Amino acid sequence: DVKVTQSSRYLVKRTGEKVFLECVQDMDHENMFWYRQDPGLGLRLIYFSYDVKMKEKGDIPEGYSVSREKKERFSLILESASTNQTSMYLCASSLPLGTANTEAFFGQGTRLTVV
Amino acid sequence: LAKTTQPISMDSYEGQEVNITCSHNNIATNDYITWYQQFPSQGPRFIIQGYKTKVTNEVASLFIPADRKSSTLSLPRVSLSDTAVYYCLAFSEEDSSYKLIFGSGTRLLVRP
Repeated sequence: DVKVTQSSRYLVKRTGEKVFLECVQDMDHENMFWYRQDPGLGLRLIYFSYDVKMKEKGDIPEGYSVSREKKERFSLILESASTNQTSMYLCASSLPLGTANTEAFFGQGTRLTVV
Repeated sequence: LAKTTQPISMDSYEGQEVNITCSHNNIATNDYITWYQQFPSQGPRFIIQGYKTKVTNEVASLFIPADRKSSTLSLPRVSLSDTAVYYCLAFSEEDSSYKLIFGSGTRLLVRP
């Protein structure tokens, strides 16, 4: 059974803290994604990575950075957490386009609250 | 990237067929169309993907007309458990990668 695992289901952090959200996939997928989801705004792409050490900005990268040192792990970093980063964060992975199946698999999400 | 437009919400009753239409007027030649379903407090789940004409699986059908400027997700005989948000995506390969861009989705409510 395919799996994308996010390290925490719920997190509470203080303003100004450095926050790490971890995501691990066991499907040997090249592509990995980080989204945030807020009421009424749908899913918004923060960053994605199409290979180890490769990353590209999504629509809302400000205030975030990412790290992909190993194929199976994609980390989202909030350098200095702020209250407007309180949100549900979702990680996903997929095979590259051109392969037989480009379905994206999502983790269960991390609900981050910054106080 | 093709921008997609869907209705914000739809209501239906158990046992009915539900059709959700998505507009993607500037879809590119290499773009695929994919639909995802999301339940509260869960990540989205892939439903179906197509390029043109009709695709059917055990969950849904996807109709794409010849001009590919729109697509319709068809859910046969919905049940209460089909209440969810449905997202339409058009994506393509850019350079060596591709982006999955979600819109706001269509919130489907199935009533008894």
